[in-house]
Amino acid sequence: NAGVTQTPKFRVLKTGQSMTLLCAQDMNHEYMYWYRQDPGMGLRLIHYSVGEGTTAKGEVPDGYNVSRLKKQNFLLGLESAAPSQTSVYFCASSRDGGSYEQYFGPGTRLTVT
Amino acid sequence: QQQVKQSPQSLIVQKGGISIINCAYENTAFDYFPWYQQFPGKGPALLIAIRPDVSEKKEGRFTISFNKSAKQFSLHIMDSQPGDSATYFCAASSDTGRRALTFGSGTRLQVQP
Repeated sequence: NAGVTQTPKFRVLKTGQSMTLLCAQDMNHEYMYWYRQDPGMGLRLIHYSVGEGTTAKGEVPDGYNVSRLKKQNFLLGLESAAPSQTSVYFCASSRDGGSYEQYFGPGTRLTVT
Repeated sequence: QQQVKQSPQSLIVQKGGISIINCAYENTAFDYFPWYQQFPGKGPALLIAIRPDVSEKKEGRFTISFNKSAKQFSLHIMDSQPGDSATYFCAASSDTGRRALTFGSGTRLQVQP
């Protein structure tokens, strides 16, 4: 099993450009999460999904959109990138609401210039 | 509002010493308290976790101490090794929060040989 994978690993965008980050898991997990990690701030929740076709906002959702069309994939979109979105993005998944452990992907380092 | 406060920000320990990292939380709905370990360029990985019905949990050299009345918990690393050098995050989650993790700001641990 590959676990949780993220594509791409690195990306540089110019202000105003758009992009989509892909998260895929092969563990048949129901719950999936997107976090961003910034220096000195830990990880903060952007959006999450509790099942195929569902999404919900987290702590810092502004400027991001998500979709969960397939159970194994969770996409994070930036419609108009801003320098404030320069960060490392992590995707995580967990089996369901009764399972507490989250499994994290390797991250995507995004720089917006 | 930072719901999980972590200290210290950085920690230097000699090989064989004890590393102690502290966290405090505010939300009394939290009922799961994990610690994650993160190496540079990698995603966080679950190290050890505790539920509030016990005051201590030990796994090998790693121990969580939990004080429900004080809303505090801590990670103790006994016999610290250079391979333990990493960033450690405390976190908390609740059922009402759909098990999304609220992270502390992280502690960079350096174990000197």
